[in-house]
Amino acid sequence: SQQGEEDPQALSIQEGENATMNCSYKTSINNLQWYRQNSGRGLVHLILIRSNEREKHSGRLRVTLDTSKKSSSLLITASRAADTASYFCATDGGGTSYGKLTFGQGTILTVHP
Amino acid sequence: GAVVSQHPSRVICKSGTSVKIECRSLDFQATTMFWYRQFPKQSLMLMATSNEGSKATYEQGVEKDKFLINHASLTLSTLTVTSAHPEDSSFYICSAPVVAGEYFGPGTRLLVL
Repeated sequence: SQQGEEDPQALSIQEGENATMNCSYKTSINNLQWYRQNSGRGLVHLILIRSNEREKHSGRLRVTLDTSKKSSSLLITASRAADTASYFCATDGGGTSYGKLTFGQGTILTVHP
Repeated sequence: GAVVSQHPSRVICKSGTSVKIECRSLDFQATTMFWYRQFPKQSLMLMATSNEGSKATYEQGVEKDKFLINHASLTLSTLTVTSAHPEDSSFYICSAPVVAGEYFGPGTRLLVL
């Protein structure tokens, strides 16, 4: 079952602006991952943040994790038209469930040139 | 380059036929692989865990007799959709866990007429 909720469901911005997407989950996690999916294509792994980490950066991406609130956010700075895609958070409960991901509903990001 | 491949990338079949989808890990061994399904405009749902050398484990609500999984080797898992029906039309994606996250295959789009 889906335990992740993402908001907004859709986000439309202009090139150069920042895009922030939020994800909430319900159960304890080992790590949380963010993925990108272009229309009708496979998933691209963006970043993984472990449960004992609070913030992580990768290029124009910044991810935060608040385990007390069971939430995470993905910030894309200086967005580009090529960033247009669906973005999903996914949680890994670890232990015997290691590698089994529970995905959020996703945010559709549209960046207008 | 791709580290997990899937074949075929898309398949169209008649209702009642069976379809086999292959998932291969390239240049690494995967004792565990996961199969997900994604309906249009929805998120990914885990279907089953493919285990090399043992039976697959299925998520609640997934029919094991309909979705046959065989982890034939340390680099190959297959998903066979038996007696496919139009409601099985979906995007099927496999993944293999690695330390820093998951590698996803490019997906297989199945259309059952």
